[in-house]
Amino acid sequence: AQSVAQPEDQVNVAEGNPLTVKCTYSVSGNPYLFWYVQYPNRGLQFLLKYITGDNLVKGSYGFEAEFNKSQTSFHLKKPSALVSDSALYFCAVRDETSGTYKYIFGTGTRLKVLA
Amino acid sequence: SAVISQKPSRDICQRGTSLTIQCQVDSQVTMMFWYRQQPGQSLTLIATANQGSEATYESGFVIDKFPISRPNLTFSTLTVSNMSPEDSSIYLCSAGTGGFTEAFFGQGTRLTVV
Repeated sequence: AQSVAQPEDQVNVAEGNPLTVKCTYSVSGNPYLFWYVQYPNRGLQFLLKYITGDNLVKGSYGFEAEFNKSQTSFHLKKPSALVSDSALYFCAVRDETSGTYKYIFGTGTRLKVLA
Repeated sequence: SAVISQKPSRDICQRGTSLTIQCQVDSQVTMMFWYRQQPGQSLTLIATANQGSEATYESGFVIDKFPISRPNLTFSTLTVSNMSPEDSSIYLCSAGTGGFTEAFFGQGTRLTVV
């Protein structure tokens, strides 16, 4: 079965410091990987995706993610964190085997950026 | 990118009643999904809404409790039937076209059952 894991419930980082939010995946076939962010009382906003191509993917709001096939990871990164980046982050994989192309989400990581 | 409008944004309902949530997409999409989310928790897929055919339900969710309609490529409804307090949650509609594109989400419906 396709799945993603987010090993950290919460990540704290000081404003201006680099941040990393971890995600590992388990899929059969090629992975279709996504990062979403959710602010309080809001729906999910798309940040970036890896479908094919370069392993370093750049997305919205200065975020990027590195696809690592050997480590089956897709960690989200940002060189310099902002207080406004504080939110709930979800890694997701699209299930290309189910016929419905459903999205399967990780448990989420709460990012707190401290001023 | 697709814009998804979801109605209502929130509701407080009596137990034993039903609520229908509407999801309208501003462009034709191949896939539409319904998720449930407890505040601050992960998303659980309820079902995939299939245009012109019965929805595909995930384990633990049944059509009698969560009937879904999808009459065309831009609209879907989810009904939460015979509600109990355990149904209190956020319900999210999602839509996408597959391929190299991502799915988009509505703002969610916050349901409280009293």
